[in-house]
Amino acid sequence: GAVVSQHPSRVICKSGTSVKIECRSLDFQATTMFWYRQFPKQSLMLMATSNEGSKATYEQGVEKDKFLINHASLTLSTLTVTSAHPEDSSFYICSATGGGASPSSSYEQYFGPGTRLTVT
Amino acid sequence: AQSVTQPDIHITVSEGASLELRCNYSYGATPYLFWYVQSPGQGLQLLLKYFSGDTLVQGIKGFEAEFKRSQSSFNLRKPSVHWSDAAEYFCAVGAPLSGNTPLVFGKGTRLSVIA
Repeated sequence: GAVVSQHPSRVICKSGTSVKIECRSLDFQATTMFWYRQFPKQSLMLMATSNEGSKATYEQGVEKDKFLINHASLTLSTLTVTSAHPEDSSFYICSATGGGASPSSSYEQYFGPGTRLTVT
Repeated sequence: AQSVTQPDIHITVSEGASLELRCNYSYGATPYLFWYVQSPGQGLQLLLKYFSGDTLVQGIKGFEAEFKRSQSSFNLRKPSVHWSDAAEYFCAVGAPLSGNTPLVFGKGTRLSVIA
């Protein structure tokens, strides 16, 4: 099946610094990638939808200047948390869809393993 | 807009017992339906999905789910639970008529398995 990787799996950074998280589709071309945030014992909260070559669409309440998303190629999307603060500490998960031939294929989201961000 | 309700926040079952996790959705037409499983500190793994056709779908790890249009439900079942099934389970819905939009997830059900 389709594989999505994330790097790093864990990162600890100091308050005020920026952190970049990479999401890669390893064996398929991802026309769309999604970024989620998950708080402990809670469901996934969609942050933004990213289509290759265009600007990301952010969900209401998500600061686009704080969470910079770049989807420069069909296999890579990055999320940069700028000027991170302790409240940004969370589990960040990306997913990707391949936009294949069948109508339902764009709904088959493949998830990365997640990145645990801790801001001290 | 579509929505998903998982009524049970936490369920505990004995190893070897049967399991049913409930999922109800709200959508004006037949949605695409998914069940995902998440182990602690891990990403989500797809267990099974329903797009059309046979309303009873088989997934990995011995799981199955049945789409019931009349009840707007897509409950997940397993006849005999193993200790390794302890995890968080998420039901999700996609809207076929809305283009390439993200899935909407339920709040999840945490499954604990006791000996």
